[in-house]
Amino acid sequence: AQKVTQAQTEISVVEKEDVTLDCVYETRDTTYYLFWYKQPPSGELVFLIRRNSFDEQNEISGRYSWNFQKSTSSFNFTITASQVVDSAVYFCALSDTNAGGTSYGKLTFGQGTILTVHP
Amino acid sequence: DAGVTQSPTHLIKTRGQHVTLRCSPISGHKSVSWYQQVLGQGPQFIFQYYEKEERGRGNFPDRFSARQFPNYSSELNVNALLLGDSALYLCASSLVNRGEQYFGPGTRLTVT
Repeated sequence: AQKVTQAQTEISVVEKEDVTLDCVYETRDTTYYLFWYKQPPSGELVFLIRRNSFDEQNEISGRYSWNFQKSTSSFNFTITASQVVDSAVYFCALSDTNAGGTSYGKLTFGQGTILTVHP
Repeated sequence: DAGVTQSPTHLIKTRGQHVTLRCSPISGHKSVSWYQQVLGQGPQFIFQYYEKEERGRGNFPDRFSARQFPNYSSELNVNALLLGDSALYLCASSLVNRGEQYFGPGTRLTVT
């Protein structure tokens, strides 16, 4: 069975601080996808990034960066110079695939990390 | 392009009643998934449909059912509602070979 663990339930920082959200996953699949989603107070889940299990390159997008380490089954998310607008619940998720590498859509989510950025 | 749309936005039902939730995917997306999100928890997978066929089912009782129509829109039905069914119901669509799912705003169901 697949499992995603986000050990940090809540994180509180002051604006401009850097913050890292941890994600550890478990799967027996050799091919899988990892995701991060943001859920602002409005409730709608916003897709942030997808990472294929074969691609361990770190990725940076503006103030966001992601560190994927297959050896430790971790996919951590760092926000640099946090802003008040970053306040939200962040979810890490895992998707399995079939033998052809197609993801049919079952996402297993972690419990989420509530990030509060104070001005 | 329009995103995933869901209706209704909010719904209040009484225990034992039936409810139907609707979802329209992003144009061109043939896969629709449904999730239940209880307050304070991550979304839980309920169903996934692709090309009108059920491709996956989560650990939910038979009171939950769904279907996908020829235009790829979908309905989630819940019978004999229980208080514990109160949650945010999220619909997501995707291109099967891409993996990332795009979520709608959800339907907030309250069972009294």
